[in-house]
Amino acid sequence: DTEVTQTPKHLVMGMTNKKSLKCEQHMGHRAMYWYKQKAKKPPELMFVYSYEKLSINESVPSRFSPECPNSSLLNLHLHALQPEDSALYLCASSRDSRRGASVDTQYFGPGTRLTVL
Amino acid sequence: GNSVTQMEGPVTLSEEAFLTINCTYTATGYPSLFWYVQYPGEGLQLLLKATKADDKGSNKGFEATYRKETTSFHLEKGSVQVSDSAVYFCALSIQGAQKLVFGQGTRLTINP
Repeated sequence: DTEVTQTPKHLVMGMTNKKSLKCEQHMGHRAMYWYKQKAKKPPELMFVYSYEKLSINESVPSRFSPECPNSSLLNLHLHALQPEDSALYLCASSRDSRRGASVDTQYFGPGTRLTVL
Repeated sequence: GNSVTQMEGPVTLSEEAFLTINCTYTATGYPSLFWYVQYPGEGLQLLLKATKADDKGSNKGFEATYRKETTSFHLEKGSVQVSDSAVYFCALSIQGAQKLVFGQGTRLTINP
């Protein structure tokens, strides 16, 4: 089973709203990722959690706040977003991304289509 | 630095045609190479991968061979179907880097 689930599938929010995106995997993976994908572009890495600790933040604005409550769950809290933040948000997981470990395959979820009005 | 270059799309073919999507890479170290496919309105699915030189990845009739001498990982399929219409991303990852480096993607349309 290589399934990563994401909820909600679609989300429309105003610029003053607070919302959260959720991601879950039950593959025993210890690394989880958030990506942002604009139309006709490849995914752009936002955050990486390794063993429930934030290991990479790609200079993402503070209006995006990640959280990893446990090894199976990853959240992305959204606050005061801008219309240009509208995109497909993808979650991914991999077995073990600690530095020095072998390269691990990332498995992606179906994404949350976010529209900011 | 590390980078991936894919052939520019879009690519349009007729059903049962032969498909090649070119992918070349630049990497420091020894990368693993991946092809991901994204169907309309969906996330990315791993299509195939190769972790060392001369490895051949294959899945669903698609194949790609890791060529270190030409730094390439071209995707091929002998007979495409309408259901293969999607965007294809070539990507690499370096051991310990925790990052996937993607190409720009190639949009493939198969006409019946």
